[in-house]
Amino acid sequence: GNSVTQMEGPVTLSEEAFLTINCTYTATGYPSLFWYVQYPGEGLQLLLKATKADDKGSNKGFEATYRKETTSFHLEKGSVQVSDSAVYFCALRGTQGGSEKLVFGKGTKLTVNP
Amino acid sequence: NAGVTQTPKFQVLKTGQSMTLQCAQDMNHEYMSWYRQDPGMGLRLIHYSVGAGITDQGEVPNGYNVSRSTTEDFPLRLLSAAPSQTSVYFCASSLDGLSGNTIYFGEGSWLTVV
Repeated sequence: GNSVTQMEGPVTLSEEAFLTINCTYTATGYPSLFWYVQYPGEGLQLLLKATKADDKGSNKGFEATYRKETTSFHLEKGSVQVSDSAVYFCALRGTQGGSEKLVFGKGTKLTVNP
Repeated sequence: NAGVTQTPKFQVLKTGQSMTLQCAQDMNHEYMSWYRQDPGMGLRLIHYSVGAGITDQGEVPNGYNVSRSTTEDFPLRLLSAAPSQTSVYFCASSLDGLSGNTIYFGEGSWLTVV
């Protein structure tokens, strides 16, 4: 079945540091890939997405490129801020019948210190 | 804009008690779903609905019931609460499928079963 594997957290960075959160997936066909962010005490919000190979999703300075050859969708940001402290979830949506539901990774907690 | 509204936000139950988590959306979305979020587990789908009068089981449905009598409401019922149901519950809705390009999450309901 479809699955998503995210790097284990928590991740602690200083402000303005470079961020990478690794995400790899297993799926048949050509899934769509998503990054969601959950700020403290809130629900999940879509951060960015990519629907086909080599697509780059971007939002709020975050980027992720859909790499089919490595089945990856790593999240990156060049300079993190304290306000980026949150839990980040990688997710995929399959394309096969009956597998159209979102499958989430376990989440990676990011803390950015001033 | 209310979006997806969940109540209550916090609840403590005794083992064996029953309760209902309420979820309402005002966006006329056909698709609604309930997830639970546990540490190190990501989000797991409990039940979902593709329209009024239609519900189906997700990944972890045991111990939960749902109904969808209207497009707006999708309550989640715990008939006999167990400590294993201690979790954070998220309701979500979408216009274009269970894992549509834009899925809206509620702010979550924190449930503790003692």
